[in-house]
Amino acid sequence: AQKVTQAQTEISVVEKEDVTLDCVYETRDTTYYLFWYKQPPSGELVFLIRRNSFDEQNEISGRYSWNFQKSTSSFNFTITASQVVDSAVYFCALSRLNSGGSNYKLTFGKGTLLTVNP
Amino acid sequence: DVKVTQSSRYLVKRTGEKVFLECVQDMDHENMFWYRQDPGLGLRLIYFSYDVKMKEKGDIPEGYSVSREKKERFSLILESASTNQTSMYLCASSTGLAVYEQYFGPGTRLTVT
Repeated sequence: AQKVTQAQTEISVVEKEDVTLDCVYETRDTTYYLFWYKQPPSGELVFLIRRNSFDEQNEISGRYSWNFQKSTSSFNFTITASQVVDSAVYFCALSRLNSGGSNYKLTFGKGTLLTVNP
Repeated sequence: DVKVTQSSRYLVKRTGEKVFLECVQDMDHENMFWYRQDPGLGLRLIYFSYDVKMKEKGDIPEGYSVSREKKERFSLILESASTNQTSMYLCASSTGLAVYEQYFGPGTRLTVT
């Protein structure tokens, strides 16, 4: 069975603070993909990043960075120097690789609401 | 840019009504998905389709059906709406199933009274 846990339901920070959103996953598969999505107040989820289970390199994209650690089954997301526009719900998701048709499985965490105050 | 559109942003229906939620994507994606999003529960997959006229149940298919007659259009049907189907419904599409990101529509907030 697959499971994604985002233990932080809500986080509130002041602008320019750094913030880390945690994601812990469970899977029996050796090959899988992890995703982060952002859902701003407008409601439309937006894809941020995809990572496969064989690539543990950390990734940085501007103020965003992701730390994938297979040893702890975590895929954490850090926003550096947060801004008000970062306020959103962030979802972590896990997909098994060898899934097609009826074998498909994508599991979302319950999301973390991030509020960045001016 | 991928565009996924949903027929309504807000919808109010009565218990027992048949409800159709429409979703259209313009990027020739093979795969389309319907989710519902509820506070504290995150996103849960209702149904998905990996080809025209092909559909598979997700995690919570009870009370719903789907139709995909054309590649670009995926409809979610509530045969007899009930109050526990009040929710935000999100449609998504993707190039592939497992490894590709999904593109989401803006959502339909459905209220069943």
